[in-house]
Amino acid sequence: EDQVTQSPEALRLQEGESSSLNCSYTVSGLRGLFWYRQDPGKGPEFLFTLYSAGEEKEKERLKATLTKKESFLHITAPKPEDSATYLCAVQAGGSYIPTFGRGTSLIVHP
Amino acid sequence: NAGVTQTPKFRILKIGQSMTLQCTQDMNHNYMYWYRQDPGMGLKLIYYSVGAGITDKGEVPNGYNVSRSTTEDFPLRLELAAPSQTSVYFCASQGARSNEQYFGPGTRLTVT
Repeated sequence: EDQVTQSPEALRLQEGESSSLNCSYTVSGLRGLFWYRQDPGKGPEFLFTLYSAGEEKEKERLKATLTKKESFLHITAPKPEDSATYLCAVQAGGSYIPTFGRGTSLIVHP
Repeated sequence: NAGVTQTPKFRILKIGQSMTLQCTQDMNHNYMYWYRQDPGMGLKLIYYSVGAGITDKGEVPNGYNVSRSTTEDFPLRLELAAPSQTSVYFCASQGARSNEQYFGPGTRLTVT
């Protein structure tokens, strides 16, 4: 059974304090790993797709990396507007249905 | 493009009532999904569809039904509402070539 575990469940940072969110997974043949951002009261918004170990993607203050067992979402010098829940999802080979983790709730204090 | 739209945004139902949650996408995506999201529990897949006329159960289908008569629309039906169906419901679509999902704004449903 495909499993996705995100840690920590919640993270509080001061503005400018860099940190990382973790997504560990067990899946038979990774087809893709996805990061989404979800603001309160809204639907998840797609951020990145990673396909193979060693791949990295960047967008503004966010950088996603992938190994064979986990992915990290690095947040550099975060701002209060980066506060949100970040969701990780994986697709196994041969399946188009993603398995989602429970998310990490990030709060960035000014 | 409006993307994925859902109606209504909020709804309060009495136990035993029925309702349909509407979902429409204008991206010509083949794959569509219904999820429910409870606090701290992540997204649970209710039903999904790989194209018009084809639907299948997800992880938590009991108490729900779906249909897919067109590519654009994927309504979710609750026949006999129960308090356990109190949740936030999200519809999502996915293209055949790209694997990422596009989500609607959600419907917050309360059953009392």
